[in-house]
Amino acid sequence: GEQVEQLPSILRVQEGSSASINCTYENSASNYFPWYKQEPGENPKLIIDIRSNMERKQTQGLIVLLDKKAKRFSLHITDTQPGDSAMYFCAASVSGSFNKLTFGAGTRLAVCP
Amino acid sequence: DPKIIQKPKYLVAVTGSEKILICEQYLGHNAMYWYRQSAKKPLEFMFSYSYQKLMDNQTASSRFQPQSSKKNHLDLQITALKPDDSATYFCASSQETGGFQDTQYFGPGTRLLVL
Repeated sequence: GEQVEQLPSILRVQEGSSASINCTYENSASNYFPWYKQEPGENPKLIIDIRSNMERKQTQGLIVLLDKKAKRFSLHITDTQPGDSAMYFCAASVSGSFNKLTFGAGTRLAVCP
Repeated sequence: DPKIIQKPKYLVAVTGSEKILICEQYLGHNAMYWYRQSAKKPLEFMFSYSYQKLMDNQTASSRFQPQSSKKNHLDLQITALKPDDSATYFCASSQETGGFQDTQYFGPGTRLLVL
C-alpha cells in the first residue's frame, strides 16, 4: 500500500507571495504524483501532476518538485491570488496498483489581500 | 456539459436502508473509480474498474457493491446504511492505457447523509 503525509494543514499567505505545500510518501514504487484543487462544495480538479521520470514540472504559476530519494514532493504556487484560496490535495499512485490514488489529508490555503 | 454525471446530488437515508448512487461518464474512458470523502477522512479510494471488470477493492465492508451495466457506468449500491456512511461519494474516470497511471477526472459527487 501507500501512505501520504501532507503539510501544512492550514496555510495563510499574502496576495502576491508564494505558497508551498509538502508531501511525503512511503512506498518507493510510487511513480505518479498528482495535485488536486478543491473549492467548497465542488469536486477535486487536477491542477498539475508529475511522474517519477521527472524532478520538476511547471505550468501557469505552479511548480511541482519530486525528490525520489527523500520520497518527497511539493507544490509551489507563485504570485498567489485570492482565487487560489481552496483545499489542495496531493496524491500518490503505486506502480501496478491500477491507478489507485492515495491522498494526503489536504491543505487549506487562504490568500489574504 | 458535464462529462461525468452523478445522481443524485444530495441523498438523505434512514439507518438500515439501501441506496444506489449513479455514475455515468461521457469522456470515452475505460476505467472508473469510486472515492469517499468525509469530515473524518480525506479522499479515500474505494474501488477501481477497467472495462467493467473489478481491479481493486479497498472497502472492508461487503455492504458496498459497485455495479457496472455498461462501460461508461459504475453505480455504487450501499446496503444496511449506517450514520458513519455519511460522506460525499465521488466517481472518477480515466483513460487506462496500460502500464501508466492516467489522469483521473472526478465527478461532482453525491452527498449522502444517513440519519
